[in-house]
Amino acid sequence: GQQVMQIPQYQHVQEGEDFTTYCNSSTTLSNIQWYKQRPGGHPVFLIQLVKSGEVKKQKRLTFQFGEAKKNSSLHITATQTTDVGTYFCAGPHNAGGTSYGKLTFGQGTILTVHP
Amino acid sequence: SQTIHQWPATLVQPVGSPLSLECTVEGTSNPNLYWYRQAAGRGLQLLFYSVGIGQISSEVPQNLSASRPQDRQFILSSKKLLLSDSGFYLCAWGRDRSNQPQHFGDGTRLSIL
Repeated sequence: GQQVMQIPQYQHVQEGEDFTTYCNSSTTLSNIQWYKQRPGGHPVFLIQLVKSGEVKKQKRLTFQFGEAKKNSSLHITATQTTDVGTYFCAGPHNAGGTSYGKLTFGQGTILTVHP
Repeated sequence: SQTIHQWPATLVQPVGSPLSLECTVEGTSNPNLYWYRQAAGRGLQLLFYSVGIGQISSEVPQNLSASRPQDRQFILSSKKLLLSDSGFYLCAWGRDRSNQPQHFGDGTRLSIL
């Protein structure tokens, strides 16, 4: 079945350092979504990428969608303590036919930032 | 605007006791509804989804069941809880399209003793 893999599983950085998490799908995706879950909180939608090679920015966050639409990355420049949390990528569930809006989530990257 | 409510926020239950978690959505009609479980430090496992009243699909075999008695109400239940049912349960709503995000409730942290 479809798999969405994320690396690394954990990342510890000093405040001010950059951070990148990578997402790879076993199948071509029509779009890729990114979510952030703060410690003790629930996942919150950040952004969606649709086009091959698309790059989007949200302040210090840069999201990329690969040319083959099977991989994606999230890069944070100059991390801050407010960036702490788990970052998930998710792609539409692909099992043939209608997906019913289901998503396949990666396992997430847990980011800790040391002040 | 749409909001999703989930309760209770935390729950401690003995093994073998029943369970009922409720989720309601406001500000939208005919949403797709989802129940996820998240083990500590792990990813999201889809348990059930529903595309309409009374329509439930199970993603994994388990000790839990789901029901959707009203358009914007989704309930997760169990007759007898197991230790392995501990976890963080999240309800989410979305649209019946592959390019739409999901919106999550605050979650219920369930501990089985």
